[in-house]
Amino acid sequence: AQSVAQPEDQVNVAEGNPLTVKCTYSVSGNPYLFWYVQYPNRGLQFLLKYITGDNLVKGSYGFEAEFNKSQTSFHLKKPSALVSDSALYFCAVRPTRGTYKYIFGTGTRLKVLA
Amino acid sequence: NAGVTQTPKFQVLKTGQSMTLQCAQDMNHNSMYWYRQDPGMGLRLIYYSASEGTTDKGEVPNGYNVSRLNKREFSLRLESAAPSQTSVYFCASTEGPSTDTQYFGPGTRLTVL
Repeated sequence: AQSVAQPEDQVNVAEGNPLTVKCTYSVSGNPYLFWYVQYPNRGLQFLLKYITGDNLVKGSYGFEAEFNKSQTSFHLKKPSALVSDSALYFCAVRPTRGTYKYIFGTGTRLKVLA
Repeated sequence: NAGVTQTPKFQVLKTGQSMTLQCAQDMNHNSMYWYRQDPGMGLRLIYYSASEGTTDKGEVPNGYNVSRLNKREFSLRLESAAPSQTSVYFCASTEGPSTDTQYFGPGTRLTVL
């Protein structure tokens, strides 16, 4: 079965430190990969996506993600965390063949400590 | 440009009652989706509509029906609500298969007593 895993329910990081939120996937072929962020009582907002090309993708608010095909991972990173980055982050995958469906991970809550 | 709108924002139902959640997008998108979000389970796809006139089941369709009323609107109906349907419901849309970024509405928080 196709799946997306976010192994950490919560990540705590000090303000100014680098952050990583992990995502691995089990989907055949060459899927499209996404990161979304959800602030309290809001819908999900798009951060970045990988379709093809450079393995390092840059997105909104200074976030970037690194695609690793051999490890089937798509980790979200930021060089210097801000308190305002505290939110719920979702990794999502869209298989490229034969479906419009998206598969979401369970989410990782990022807490940036002042 | 409102993007994706959902009504209502909050709703409390009694077991067995019915209701329809409304979703509309003003971005001329072809594909629309309904998800539910439950703690620790991420987003699960209920139904989706790849284009106007088509609908398909997602991961958790039981107890729900949908209508793609036109290109803008995609409604989700609970015919006989159950406590297990207590959740936050999100509607989303995408331009089409070659433009895959999903745009989400603000959500509807539904409680079934």
